[in-house]
Parts: sequence; C-alpha cells; structure tokens
Amino acid sequence: AQSVTQPDIHITVSEGASLELRCNYSYGATPYLFWYVQSPGQGLQLLLKYFSGDTLVQGIKGFEAEFKRSQSSFNLRKPSVHWSDAAEYFCAVEDSGTYKYIFGTGTRLKVLA
Amino acid sequence: DAGVTQSPTHLIKTRGQHVTLRCSPISGHKSVSWYQQVLGQGPQFIFQYYEKEERGRGNFPDRFSARQFPNYSSELNVNALLLGDSALYLCASSFYRGEGQPQHFGDGTRLSIL
Repeated sequence: AQSVTQPDIHITVSEGASLELRCNYSYGATPYLFWYVQSPGQGLQLLLKYFSGDTLVQGIKGFEAEFKRSQSSFNLRKPSVHWSDAAEYFCAVEDSGTYKYIFGTGTRLKVLA
Repeated sequence: DAGVTQSPTHLIKTRGQHVTLRCSPISGHKSVSWYQQVLGQGPQFIFQYYEKEERGRGNFPDRFSARQFPNYSSELNVNALLLGDSALYLCASSFYRGEGQPQHFGDGTRLSIL
C-alpha cells in the first residue's frame, strides 16, 4: 500500500536561511506527488505537484521540490525563508485507482526573526 | 472565483448527537472528497464523490455517510458522535475524478465533541 513519511515533525530556521523539508513515499509505479501548506486554522493550499517529466518542479511562493526515484523522495526546498512561511507542510501521494490522497503526518515550520 | 466553501466553520456537539457538514466545490468542479484531520496528524480520506455517486470510501465506520447533490455540493453526516470524532473536517474538490487531478481544499469545519 502507498504511504508517505515525513521524518521531521518540527523544523526551526532563521529568516533568510534556506529550507529543506523531507518526504519519502512508498509506491510501486511513478507517483503523483503533492506538497500542501496549512496555516493555523485554515485549510490546505497546494504549493506544487509532480506528475512526470522534469524532476525539479517549481511551485508558488518561491518553493521548489525535487523528485528522486532512486531515493523515493520528494523534498521541498526554498532558498530563503520568510517569516510568513511559518506553517505546517504536508506531502501527499495520490493513490492509484481511487485517486484519494495519502498524506504524511506533516512538518511544522517555525521561522526565527 | 470563489474557492471551496465549507459550513459551518466551527461546531460543538455532545456525544451521541448527529452532525451535518456542508461543502460547496469550486464552480465547475464535479468531484468532492472529504478528509478528517485529527490534531497533530495529516488528513485521512473519508469519502469521494463524483457525478453524485460514491467512488471511494476510507476506513471509517458506518456512522459516517455522505452524499453529493445535483449542483455538486456535498454533505457529510456523522451519527452517534464519539469524543474521537473531534477533528477538522476538510472538503476538497477537483475538476473531475482522474489521475493527477489537483484537489483544492476548503478551510474546514472544526468539530468539537464534549
């Protein structure tokens, strides 16, 4: 069965520093992968998605993610973090056939001024 | 254009009661999915509806039910509420049901069970 692991529950970075959030997936074929961000008390906003092709995908708010099949990873990166990026980030894989999303447990990002 | 809208935003119920949550998808979207997000966890899939038919169901008891209306809006019903049903319930819509269709989420309904 498909699954998603986000190894880091909490991450703290200073404003202006670079960021990498880890995501590992378990899936038999080429997966459809997504990153979402959730601000407190709000729903999920789609940051970016990977379907096929170029393994480096660009998203909104300056985020990018790299798909590495050999490592079953889809890590989210940002070169310079802003205080407004503080939120919870979820990685998800689409389940083949049902099209439901399987989410990781999330990584809570704290940004220090 | 309006995004996915959910109502109510907050709800407090007691054990044993029944609750109905509502969702209006983005205009033109025909697929609606429901997720439960318990505090500190990622969202868990409950139901998916497409063209008014149930197309998928997650590992939830029969106390949970849903339906989709001709205008593609949807309701999630939960009977005999338990303390463990306290969660954020998220609705997501997509244009159609198919591979790689991005799901767009509403802000959710926060359900608290006393």
